[in-house]
Amino acid sequence: DIQMTQSPSTLSASVGDRVTITCRASQSINSYLAWYQQKPGKAPKVLIYQASSLQGGAPSRFSGSGSGTEFTLTISSLQPDDFATYYCQQYQSYSYTFGQGTNLEIK
Amino acid sequence: EVQLLESGGALVQPGGSLRLSCAASGFTFSTYGMSWVRQAPGKGLEWVSAIVSGGDSTFYAESVKGRFTITRDNSQNILNLQMNSLRDDDTAVYFCAKQEYRSGGHLDYWGQGTLVTVSS
Repeated sequence: DIQMTQSPSTLSASVGDRVTITCRASQSINSYLAWYQQKPGKAPKVLIYQASSLQGGAPSRFSGSGSGTEFTLTISSLQPDDFATYYCQQYQSYSYTFGQGTNLEIK
Repeated sequence: EVQLLESGGALVQPGGSLRLSCAASGFTFSTYGMSWVRQAPGKGLEWVSAIVSGGDSTFYAESVKGRFTITRDNSQNILNLQMNSLRDDDTAVYFCAKQEYRSGGHLDYWGQGTLVTVSS
């Protein structure tokens, strides 16, 4: 199976900050990578797919980049609603796999 | 509006069985792949299983292979997950999710989840 490794596991930041989360795949997944946001007690929501395509309805302050094995999710200016857990996921091949998650906390 | 509504979660003893269902609406169910994803209490997301639009190909995580079976009824817009030989570590919230394409793609819509607790 393809392993997905996210960093950092926890990130403390303030409203207005620019933040970046990194995801690394154990082998090339081309651009078959999605980013999800999850809030406590809720289902995940997709933000980015195909590594850099913004899902309809997702705020434009979210952006994704990368291909192959290295990927990043960037939030250009943190808003109060953005404090949540973020997961990357590869869908290059089954079994699909998720990163372990990044908990974005208020500093 | 796409809606996915899971049901069937319950408390079950180790070694027992349970069948989860997911009722889909708001899209042409028969033309999209579907997945189940679970989340153990306080843990991250784990993909469990997927089925292509026509139901003729299925995929499983190693952790559930041979114990879980995914099926779909395209006439009723229902996705199912039959879970047998349940273990303590199957305790989780189980989400159904719509895939982007007939046979794969990212998970673009999710249900609210149903809780499965395996405990004696």
